[in-house]
Amino acid sequence: NAGVTQTPKFRILKIGQSMTLQCTQDMNHNYMYWYRQDPGMGLKLIYYSVGAGITDKGEVPNGYNVSRSTTEDFPLRLELAAPSQTSVYFCASSTPGTSGGQETQYFGPGTRLLVL
Amino acid sequence: AQTVTQSQPEMSVQEAETVTLSCTYDTSESNYYLFWYKQPPSRQMILVIRQEAYKQQNATENRFSVNFQKAAKSFSLKISDSQLGDTAMYFCACSSGTYKYIFGTGTRLKVLA
Repeated sequence: NAGVTQTPKFRILKIGQSMTLQCTQDMNHNYMYWYRQDPGMGLKLIYYSVGAGITDKGEVPNGYNVSRSTTEDFPLRLELAAPSQTSVYFCASSTPGTSGGQETQYFGPGTRLLVL
Repeated sequence: AQTVTQSQPEMSVQEAETVTLSCTYDTSESNYYLFWYKQPPSRQMILVIRQEAYKQQNATENRFSVNFQKAAKSFSLKISDSQLGDTAMYFCACSSGTYKYIFGTGTRLKVLA
């Protein structure tokens, strides 16, 4: 199993440009997530999805959009990139636990984004 | 509200020694999962160990073990026989309720040769 894959690994954007970060998982997980991690900091949730066609905002959704047309894919769209969006972006997936909460969350390798 | 607190921003340990990383959490749910993740310089988030709250037995994975104190809402990670490859940021996390994971702010561990 490949687990959670992300592309690209690294990207430089100019201010005002747009791009899509790709995320695919092959574990048939219903739950998928996008986080950002700024230097020296923890993870902040951008968006999450509980299944195909269902998405919702996390803590820091401004400047981003997501879609979930299939169970496997959960792309993150950045519109009008700004320097404040310079960060490392992680995609993750999970499945519900049998007695409340979510089971282990599996992470992709991350996409490092630099906005200049 | 759920919270996860890691009170040790940085720690160091000599190679082959034992170190314990602290984590406390708060949740109103009776059933939940607790995790420790390792983030080496490569930035990959790697699961170290998980604990199901309804299981009283402490989880163990090779050199890694936890001390889970449910009443005290404490979930510390013990690393035995520390190796240079254990140098990383370690995040404690809790998942309860529906979709959410709450992460601590991390502890940066440095293993010294």
